[in-house]
Amino acid sequence: QVQLVESGGGVVQPGRYLRLSCATSGFSFSTYAMHWVRQAPGKGLEWVAVVWFDGSNAYYADSVKGRFTVSRDNSRNTLYLDIKRLRADDTAVYYCARPVIRGKFKDAVDVWGRGTMVTVSS
Amino acid sequence: QSALTQPPSLSAAPGQRVAISCSGSRSNIGNNYVSWYQQLPGTAPKLVIFDNVQRPTVIPARFSGSKSGTSATLAITGLQTGDEADYYCAAWDNNLNAVIFGGGTKLTVL
Repeated sequence: QVQLVESGGGVVQPGRYLRLSCATSGFSFSTYAMHWVRQAPGKGLEWVAVVWFDGSNAYYADSVKGRFTVSRDNSRNTLYLDIKRLRADDTAVYYCARPVIRGKFKDAVDVWGRGTMVTVSS
Repeated sequence: QSALTQPPSLSAAPGQRVAISCSGSRSNIGNNYVSWYQQLPGTAPKLVIFDNVQRPTVIPARFSGSKSGTSATLAITGLQTGDEADYYCAAWDNNLNAVIFGGGTKLTVL
């Protein structure tokens, strides 16, 4: 059974650092690009980042460039999102998601985790 | 990053057909595949259409997608109360090197 489980969220003060994790199982993790998508309370979906299957490249939304870093450990089947200098507008549920087709990073995602909530507040 | 344009809300009666539009530009919808997601309250999004017109096997044939130029449409026929949800379109943008989502359409089944 294909599964994605996010963790690492919580209440964090502005300016601090946070690492989110996405543990995966049930599929060949090392052959898929992986995405992060977030959703602020009461708002729509916002794509955050994608990382290549081998971690060699990544793209980011303009709103997070320079503060977010996506990485992966294929030996642990785990995806990460490092967030520096947290801001109030980073408050959101963060989802990891897997594309429909292995090797493809531009197209649809069909497997989502349940998300982890990040609240940035003093 | 500019979002794809969707109507904020639509409503229709059970059994009727509804069409949700998604407007973009040549750099996104015009040159890349469109996907559609359904999100029920408090849950993760669920893929209902990918590659413009393809349905995952678990999605009923009542859901269909189409694309023309820089616009796409998600149509749902035989509306059911369980279809009441937020729907989002998405596409890769070649200029931004990013996935962009529509703002979402809240579908109410009266």
